[in-house]
Amino acid sequence: DAMVIQNPRYQVTQFGKPVTLSCSQTLNHNVMYWYQQKSSQAPKLLFHYYDKDFNNEADTPDNFQSRRPNTSFCFLDIRSPGLGDAAMYLCATSPGSHNEQFFGPGTRLTVL
Amino acid sequence: SQQGEEDPQALSIQEGENATMNCSYKTSINNLQWYRQNSGRGLVHLILIRSNEREKHSGRLRVTLDTSKKSSSLLITASRAADTASYFCAPIEGADGLTFGKGTHLIIQP
Repeated sequence: DAMVIQNPRYQVTQFGKPVTLSCSQTLNHNVMYWYQQKSSQAPKLLFHYYDKDFNNEADTPDNFQSRRPNTSFCFLDIRSPGLGDAAMYLCATSPGSHNEQFFGPGTRLTVL
Repeated sequence: SQQGEEDPQALSIQEGENATMNCSYKTSINNLQWYRQNSGRGLVHLILIRSNEREKHSGRLRVTLDTSKKSSSLLITASRAADTASYFCAPIEGADGLTFGKGTHLIIQP
């Protein structure tokens, strides 16, 4: 089945140790998004790629970076995780702007 | 995109009853989308309603849109335990990406 896959599902890292979260899709969608969802809060958009064009939200910290080496894969890099970065990170894809989004199951990040 | 405001923030009903939740937004939209999130999981798209549509159905779900009032409602009929989840609306305008409000947390009591 076509889907959005996130690996790993659970990630534990140490304070300040860089971590990379992975997202892949078999939907061949043009757009890929990363959202951060902290406990008991709504998901918050960090950035998205329309094809290779990167779009950063104004309030996304510089600590968060992203790469999209090809259509299928998108990575979220957290350069120096702080305790406040512990959250669920959700990847989503969409065939185009303003269309419905398809979400992966998320990666729950714990920062020790 | 702008943020939708869901109301009520929490709703508890008996299994088999209907659940209605509302969404308000501030400026004109291209479309409005509803999503469901079960505890600790990713979001699932439920329905997209375009700005020129007034009502849309999908199975037990009915969504209405009133652009003059800048509001939408989601009705779930004959609720089931599996409908227990958080429900988010996302009004879509120019900028890409979804901006979520706090959601409506729906609990279906057996």
